[in-house]
Amino acid sequence: NAGVTQTPKFRVLKTGQSMTLLCAQDMNHEYMYWYRQDPGMGLRLIHYSVGEGTTAKGEVPDGYNVSRLKKQNFLLGLESAAPSQTSVYFCASSYFAGGPEDTQYFGPGTRLTVL
Amino acid sequence: AQSVTQLDSQVPVFEEAPVELRCNYSSSVSVYLFWYVQYPNQGLQLLLKYLSGSTLVKSINGFEAEFNKSQTSFHLRKPSVHISDTAEYFCAVSDPFRGAQKLVFGQGTRLTINP
Repeated sequence: NAGVTQTPKFRVLKTGQSMTLLCAQDMNHEYMYWYRQDPGMGLRLIHYSVGEGTTAKGEVPDGYNVSRLKKQNFLLGLESAAPSQTSVYFCASSYFAGGPEDTQYFGPGTRLTVL
Repeated sequence: AQSVTQLDSQVPVFEEAPVELRCNYSSSVSVYLFWYVQYPNQGLQLLLKYLSGSTLVKSINGFEAEFNKSQTSFHLRKPSVHISDTAEYFCAVSDPFRGAQKLVFGQGTRLTINP
């Protein structure tokens, strides 16, 4: 049982390049989330999904797109990377109810640098 | 909108000393409260949470937090810390009346244990 995994662990992009971050969970969770972590700012929610085929915007969605074609996977895309998107990206998932009392399970993170 | 303030960005303490990590939140409605811990180079893990009932909640590794509604605080304490407690600690809130759990995180407190 791997929990939540993220691919890749590290990536360096040039401004304007595109990339996709993959998040996978094997806990059969309905809800999945993408966060970014910046120094001194904690984690901020980018997008989330309440089930296969659904996505919704979080607090800082601009410049990102997401897809949830399969229940176990949640993809985060950067169409045209900017230096302001340099950050550590965390994926998380939570149980079927996804209610406010849920526990979120986090992946190990992807460190992205945009030059 | 909800917000969370962690009053200390860094807290250095000696091993076996007590520690308190402070967290205040602002919300006009009831909230659920969480403490997550991030060990070096790992994702976040739930440490403890307050949903309702007893205002004092405890974790399995000796941490405890007390919900104080009048002071809108949820401070984390441990009577005697160990080297292994070195980590970054995040306080978070969620709105009980929302369908999806949109966590709002504080800025984080880096706890450093000195031998």
